[in-house]
Amino acid sequence: EAGVAQSPRYKIIEKRQSVAFWCNPISGHATLYWYQQILGQGPKLLIQFQNNGVVDDSQLPKDRFSAERLKGVDSTLKIQPAKLEDSAVYLCASSRWTGNTIYFGEGSWLTVV
Amino acid sequence: GQQLNQSPQSMFIQEGEDVSMNCTSSSIFNTWLWYKQEPGEGPVLLIALYKAGELTSNGRLTAQFGITRKDSFLNISASIPSDVGIYFCAGQLTDKLVFGAGTILRVKS
Repeated sequence: EAGVAQSPRYKIIEKRQSVAFWCNPISGHATLYWYQQILGQGPKLLIQFQNNGVVDDSQLPKDRFSAERLKGVDSTLKIQPAKLEDSAVYLCASSRWTGNTIYFGEGSWLTVV
Repeated sequence: GQQLNQSPQSMFIQEGEDVSMNCTSSSIFNTWLWYKQEPGEGPVLLIALYKAGELTSNGRLTAQFGITRKDSFLNISASIPSDVGIYFCAGQLTDKLVFGAGTILRVKS
């Protein structure tokens, strides 16, 4: 069974530029998550989707971050404009259904300079 | 919001030694999970615990779900160099997963 796929793996951008990350969850997983992991910390949930609907986006900085999962499968996370403090690993994860075990992708590593 | 206190922050041990780390919370969780993250990778699930008091093993790893549902520990026996990484505990209540800050494990051979 293929795992959670993410791209790009690494990205370096200047502040005020925009960036987008893509995620394809494990086949058949209805729930998709985006986490932000700052160096030295544990992952923090940004947004959770159930199929193509948003379940929780309470910790998403909506003035600059946006995410969508239009067809209920893959998802994109966008940051515009980026700030220095957005430098982090952006982890996509999925689970079969809400409350089931969550599996993570390898992450997209963002550096904002 | 919910917070997990994970300790120790880091450990530097001799190959062959046993390792113990734990997580505590002021909140109750229905599930405790332990993940390992290696450099450049995402967290990988090691052990999942679903019932208070549950003790589960996965090879050299043993984890327990505390009776109060507010804590969990992970033990690694006879450590080897490839055990190096960051170990995260995570508590899950319904669909919310909260992570500890991680324990950095270094093993010297």
